[in-house]
Amino acid sequence: GAGVSQTPSNKVTEKGKYVELRCDPISGHTALYWYRQSLGQGPEFLIYFQGTGAADDSGLPNDRFFAVRPEGSVSTLKIQRTERGDSAVYLCASSPGLNLETQYFGPGTRLLVL
Amino acid sequence: SQQGEEDPQALSIQEGENATMNCSYKTSINNLQWYRQNSGRGLVHLILIRSNEREKHSGRLRVTLDTSKKSSSLLITASRAADTASYFCATDHAGANNLFFGTGTRLTVIP
Repeated sequence: GAGVSQTPSNKVTEKGKYVELRCDPISGHTALYWYRQSLGQGPEFLIYFQGTGAADDSGLPNDRFFAVRPEGSVSTLKIQRTERGDSAVYLCASSPGLNLETQYFGPGTRLLVL
Repeated sequence: SQQGEEDPQALSIQEGENATMNCSYKTSINNLQWYRQNSGRGLVHLILIRSNEREKHSGRLRVTLDTSKKSSSLLITASRAADTASYFCATDHAGANNLFFGTGTRLTVIP
């Protein structure tokens, strides 16, 4: 079956602009995670959804970052007033419930803020 | 901040040789996983070892875990050029809703 998909695969924007990154999890997976990976680093946790609600958003760096999952499936990560430091690969993962043993990762969106 | 650190940061070996990567972490864990990443994109799960296990094998992979030293190692035997990638350890600990990833080891296998 289909894995986790993310769109766009690459996004170039200018400083100060607004961007939306989309994640389509594996069908039936109730848990969805967003991570951010800077160059040369490992992924860092941003936010975790269980169903439609954000169960843990402790990793969001500031209030410019926001994520939604209105129907408990597709999720959108939204970044307002982008800064050059937001440039990174944004990874999405899903799992069947809160199960950190079986996270399936998408290919990521590479964001470049000029 | 990230949970773990890995060493070496980069490793270059000849095809057929063995590659060993190490991971250290800071707090008690439920389990530890190793992931592989090609070209800075999606992560692929390789192997999971639980906190009560000391060694695990999967094909050419061997993972060890020493909870007293808070460290793990990943051994890839008889390496192939296709093993060239970045390898990350990730820990899962009580009370956390997410994995904590290490800084990664960049492995290059020269044909």
